[in-house]
Amino acid sequence: SQQGEEDPQALSIQEGENATMNCSYKTSINNLQWYRQNSGRGLVHLILIRSNEREKHSGRLRVTLDTSKKSSSLLITASRAADTASYFCATPGALSGTYKYIFGTGTRLKVLA
Amino acid sequence: GAGVSQSPSNKVTEKGKDVELRCDPISGHTALYWYRQSLGQGLEFLIYFQGNSAPDKSGLPSDRFSAERTGGSVSTLTIQRTQQEDSAVYLCASSQNRAPNSPLHFGNGTRLTVT
Repeated sequence: SQQGEEDPQALSIQEGENATMNCSYKTSINNLQWYRQNSGRGLVHLILIRSNEREKHSGRLRVTLDTSKKSSSLLITASRAADTASYFCATPGALSGTYKYIFGTGTRLKVLA
Repeated sequence: GAGVSQSPSNKVTEKGKDVELRCDPISGHTALYWYRQSLGQGLEFLIYFQGNSAPDKSGLPSDRFSAERTGGSVSTLTIQRTQQEDSAVYLCASSQNRAPNSPLHFGNGTRLTVT
């Protein structure tokens, strides 16, 4: 089964609003990553947060990690139409040390102009 | 240098035929991954290569699927006797993997359609 599960599955907001996506995972991790996928293309790495970090920022992105709850959130502030995409979290799989990344089911974000 | 390159970008094949999908990772990346993504779905892990170690094949859905990585670089994913349920986008990714926190770099995928 998938290691990560995102929610919501789909999100529609107005341009300028903030978008929050959540990810839950099952096993212990040493890092968690977020990726974006524009329609019909490969995934692009957005941000990586290590297990000893609680929050990380990159531009308009803010990621939090709560290892006690095995969950992470991705916040996109002041959203733009260009942020329309699917967003996935990825965590190392059950075989520790192999860095076999397992992806969640994704959140489809639509930003309306 | 160049990113991860996958070929072909699109492949239409008849049910029962064999197909080969190719992935050229970023030069120097020791780890290579294959994933499958059905329409509107998440990524399904297929296989993982790390250096000269034996690959992790735990995600391959059946024995019709196989993959190899020659010389630690180019990888080929082969699907034998294709079925309609094999229709999906097949994504390849590579990473440096020398550090414990290495992001994955994805190609644009091969869209496979089995008719």
